[in-house]
Amino acid sequence: GAGVSQTPSNKVTEKGKYVELRCDPISGHTALYWYRQSLGQGPEFLIYFQGTGAADDSGLPNDRFFAVRPEGSVSTLKIQRTERGDSAVYLCASSLTPGNEQFFGPGTRLTVL
Amino acid sequence: AQTVTQSQPEMSVQEAETVTLSCTYDTSESDYYLFWYKQPPSRQMILVIRQEAYKQQNATENRFSVNFQKAAKSFSLKISDSQLGDAAMYFCAYFTIYAGGTSYGKLTFGQGTILTVHP
Repeated sequence: GAGVSQTPSNKVTEKGKYVELRCDPISGHTALYWYRQSLGQGPEFLIYFQGTGAADDSGLPNDRFFAVRPEGSVSTLKIQRTERGDSAVYLCASSLTPGNEQFFGPGTRLTVL
Repeated sequence: AQTVTQSQPEMSVQEAETVTLSCTYDTSESDYYLFWYKQPPSRQMILVIRQEAYKQQNATENRFSVNFQKAAKSFSLKISDSQLGDAAMYFCAYFTIYAGGTSYGKLTFGQGTILTVHP
């Protein structure tokens, strides 16, 4: 696949449940970003990885949110004890290196009932 | 902190006409990048055009061009010969790699402008 892929495309869960959202970046891209987009709004930064390490996690809203990228490729965004306010589209992007163009995936729409 | 403001929630244009989308931003940095992204209903964010702040010449990509006014911190997008396929949400975004000695990788987006193209 040539582009960034995200799974699942849609996720419906109940309040209080745990969810994992997956991002497969473009092969060879060292930088990976997670954004959250609420309805009718622009994406908001969550976390950025350079390789395996989180270079900037200042956008994570609270400690219920956590992300990993153990091998420097695939990343998983994990949300514990989901709340209705977590409902949004979660976008992933990757770039060859920081400062290069970010290529976005199609996003995962998370709905918390 | 950097902020990006798009003051036009919605815009419309007739097919084949020209439309301009507005964007202003606030930053204390001198070296940064500005982007316009297009997001159709499919949610896929597509880069339309990019401008480096150190370049005085306005970027152009086919029917898309920008008016970059660094002193005024303004970055508008002009779409010429509008096509039905241009209908989408458009986001202005700001990016800097280093700010105050700290490495950043994030894009800061505006609120978006919904563009409707009438046949």
